[in-house]
Amino acid sequence: EFVLTQSPGTLSLSPGERATLSCRASQSVSSSYLAWYQQKPGQAPRLLIYGASRRATGFPDRFSGSGSGTHFTLTISRLEPEDFAVYYCQQYVSSPGFTFGPGTKVDLK
Amino acid sequence: QVQLQQSGPGLVKPSQTLSLTCAISGDSISSNSAAWNWIRQSPSRGLEWLGRTYYRSKWYNDYAVSVKSRLTINPDTSKNQFTLQLNSVTPEDTAVYYCAGDNSGWSPLGWFDPWGQGTLVTVSS
Repeated sequence: EFVLTQSPGTLSLSPGERATLSCRASQSVSSSYLAWYQQKPGQAPRLLIYGASRRATGFPDRFSGSGSGTHFTLTISRLEPEDFAVYYCQQYVSSPGFTFGPGTKVDLK
Repeated sequence: QVQLQQSGPGLVKPSQTLSLTCAISGDSISSNSAAWNWIRQSPSRGLEWLGRTYYRSKWYNDYAVSVKSRLTINPDTSKNQFTLQLNSVTPEDTAVYYCAGDNSGWSPLGWFDPWGQGTLVTVSS
């Protein structure tokens, strides 16, 4: 069974600090399919990173994605107040299809 | 700019069919570089991709294994929209349902953007 694991579950930080979020897959996956989403309360998720490292329109360069194989990382270099949200990674394998991780909540310390 | 507008009931009785519609503006449902998806979110299951439809000289559909026997996604080219029909629903199907576009190209890679506004569907008698 294909599983995506995100850690930590919650990251408590202050504005200006660096956030490092991890996404691990139970089997090697293609970087082309790896995406990250940001979700704020009451809103739909929003595409943040695609192809593991390409930033979506509207997100500043303090957001960056990296990794390959089974381990991928989302980094927010200096947290701004609007960055406190839940972040999901997402991947694709032929079965079961597109899979989302359980999410990492970045909240205010 | 592509925008998706969802519509449909927020309450469905157990064993009945859940039906939702997603209207597309700013793109064509028949685009050769787009795919159109349904995704749901619940506290118990998290974000769960349900399926998609897309056109590449003919129409294709892919469904998640978990719902494949109960789910139909149909394109409606006359209205530039697509629909979700989930049969034989149970309370476990209670979730916020989203439609989402994927404009990653000829072979859709699952870069879901944009998303609809979401519809909370409750399965209850």
